[in-house]
Amino acid sequence: GQQVMQIPQYQHVQEGEDFTTYCNSSTTLSNIQWYKQRPGGHPVFLIQLVKSGEVKKQKRLTFQFGEAKKNSSLHITATQTTDVGTYFCAGGRQAGTALIFGKGTTLSVSS
Amino acid sequence: GAVVSQHPSWVICKSGTSVKIECRSLDFQATTMFWYRQFPKQSLMLMATSNEGSKATYEQGVEKDKFLINHASLTLSTLTVTSAHPEDSSFYICSARGTSGSSYEQYFGPGTRLTVT
Repeated sequence: GQQVMQIPQYQHVQEGEDFTTYCNSSTTLSNIQWYKQRPGGHPVFLIQLVKSGEVKKQKRLTFQFGEAKKNSSLHITATQTTDVGTYFCAGGRQAGTALIFGKGTTLSVSS
Repeated sequence: GAVVSQHPSWVICKSGTSVKIECRSLDFQATTMFWYRQFPKQSLMLMATSNEGSKATYEQGVEKDKFLINHASLTLSTLTVTSAHPEDSSFYICSARGTSGSSYEQYFGPGTRLTVT
C-alpha cells in the first residue's frame, strides 16, 4: 500500500540554526499537508500543497512540493524555541481521501 | 475557521467495558470523517473512513466489530471501542472534511486519550 516516509526522525538544533524535514511518497500524491504537534497536543494544520513544484512560505517556514508530486520538504529558517514539536507530513492520493501520515520529525531546540 | 470537537477529551475505563467517543463538526457539515489512533511518540494511523449515512470503510488490520463507527448526521460521527483491553489504550483523533471549499483540507479534533485499566 501507499507509504509516506519522513526523515529525519529526530533533529536537535541550536536556536538560530536552520531545520529541514523531508517527506517521500511511494506513489504520486494529489496533495500533501503539513501538521505540527506539540507534546501532549493534537496535530495542527500548517499548510497544504496541491500543485507540482509549488512553494509556499509562512514567515520563517518554507514548504515545497516536488515536481513529480511524490516528495515534499519543510524548511525552518533561524529556529526558535517555539518551533519545538513534531512535524508530520501527510499525503492524499485523491482529493478528500484520508491522509497517510509520515512518522514525523521531532524537533528540539536549545537556546 | 472550521472547528471539530471531540468528547470526551480523556477517559479511563476498566477492561471489558465499552467506550464511545464523539466527533462533531461545529460550524460546518462534514460528509466524511476519518478516525486515527496515535500511540505515544508515534505517527497517526488511519483506522477508518466514515461517510454520512453509509457504512464505514476500515483499514486493513482494524477490527470492525471492535471499533464501531457510526456517522448518522453531517455533524456527528462516533467511535465505540467495544470490550476494551489495555492494548486499546491510545490517543484517538478524528478529522472531518467539509462539503464546500477546498476538497483537500481536513480539520482535526483535539483528540481523546483512552486509558484502559
